[in-house]
Amino acid sequence: QIVLTQSPAIMSASPGEKVTLTCSASSSVSSSYLYWYQQKPGSSPKLWIYSTSNLASGVPARFSGSGSGTSYSLTISSMEAEDAASYFCHQWSSYPPTFGAGTKLELK
Amino acid sequence: DVQLQESGPGLVKPSQSLSLTCTVTGYSITSDYAWNWIRQFPGNKLEWMGYISYSGSTSYNPSLKSRISITRDTSKNQFFLQLNSVTTEDTATYYCARGRYDDYAMDYWGQGTSVTVSS
Repeated sequence: QIVLTQSPAIMSASPGEKVTLTCSASSSVSSSYLYWYQQKPGSSPKLWIYSTSNLASGVPARFSGSGSGTSYSLTISSMEAEDAASYFCHQWSSYPPTFGAGTKLELK
Repeated sequence: DVQLQESGPGLVKPSQSLSLTCTVTGYSITSDYAWNWIRQFPGNKLEWMGYISYSGSTSYNPSLKSRISITRDTSKNQFFLQLNSVTTEDTATYYCARGRYDDYAMDYWGQGTSVTVSS
């Protein structure tokens, strides 16, 4: 199965700072089937980005996603307090679907 | 609006079966989509467990294939998870989620239900 490695595991960012989270796959992943989910404590994951770069409904435009092959990233152009959360990458390009271990993004 | 709600016992004894229900409102589970079960272990690791499609076909994670069964009751718009021979390693929060067929994104999730396996 494809192993997704997310880095960093934990990071903190100041308001207004640009943030980039990365997701590295052990084998090539089709960009059509790479997703990001946001999760806040006590809540379920929410679809955040699908097919590498498409924002889910209601996701602010300061978020973007990019990548191909084995390297993917989620970028926040200007950190806001509400963005503090855990972010998980997920692939359904190869069976079985797998998740990364997550990046916990904290507000500095 | 589409809503999913998990329910079931919060405590299961080792070697017994874990049974959970996902009740869907706002959309018929026979119309479209794949209806998934995902779990999150203490420490936050996520694992996809399997799904039942709108047509009733199923797909399971090979790591669970001998222990898992996903079924449904279309009259109640519910689908179910049964996991047999549980151990303490099955302690987790269990989520149900709707999955899209065109891109497999899981766009609606339940709030999750916590299950502890302990004697």
